[in-house]
Amino acid sequence: DVKVTQSSRYLVKRTGEKVFLECVQDMDHENMFWYRQDPGLGLRLIYFSYDVKMKEKGDIPEGYSVSREKKERFSLILESASTNQTSMYLCASSQGQGIAEAFFGQGTRLTVV
Amino acid sequence: AQSVTQLGSHVSVSEGALVLLRCNYSSSVPPYLFWYVQYPNQGLQLLLKYTTGATLVKGINGFEAEFKKSETSFHLTKPSAHMSDAAEYFCAVRNNNNDMRFGAGTRLTVKP
Repeated sequence: DVKVTQSSRYLVKRTGEKVFLECVQDMDHENMFWYRQDPGLGLRLIYFSYDVKMKEKGDIPEGYSVSREKKERFSLILESASTNQTSMYLCASSQGQGIAEAFFGQGTRLTVV
Repeated sequence: AQSVTQLGSHVSVSEGALVLLRCNYSSSVPPYLFWYVQYPNQGLQLLLKYTTGATLVKGINGFEAEFKKSETSFHLTKPSAHMSDAAEYFCAVRNNNNDMRFGAGTRLTVKP
């Protein structure tokens, strides 16, 4: 089975802190994604990566950056956390070719105080 | 980028009744479409996906979806709701650049 693992289930950080959310997948998938999930807004794409060191902005990249130095790992970075970044963050991965679905991690619930 | 719109943020049905969750896509060409389910405090899991050639797609747990190009729709149905179907359902589209965009979700409540 595909496994997508997010490093933390719950995080509490202070305003202004630099925050790292880590995601690892074990199926050699080319694509990896970061979404945030908020009630009534569904999943909004922050960034995605289609290869090592390659990234594309999604719908809401402001205040975030990403890093993909190895194929299996995709990190989301909040440069200076703010209270409006309190949310559930979901990582996903998928194969690069064909009608491939995305596989999701369990999510990280981040609270910025 | 292509997008999807889910009509109705909340749907409530009685146990045993038909479930109909609506999704419309924005593209003029048949896209790659998916339905996912999220049970409380769990991650998203795939229900079904659209592959070209078959307009009726069967998924897990008795769900199915019909692709209608003329209506740019991909609605999810289940003939008879069960209490265990209570969850949030998301429609998604995969774009040609491989990103995936999701709808706002529909929360399904099943009444006894």
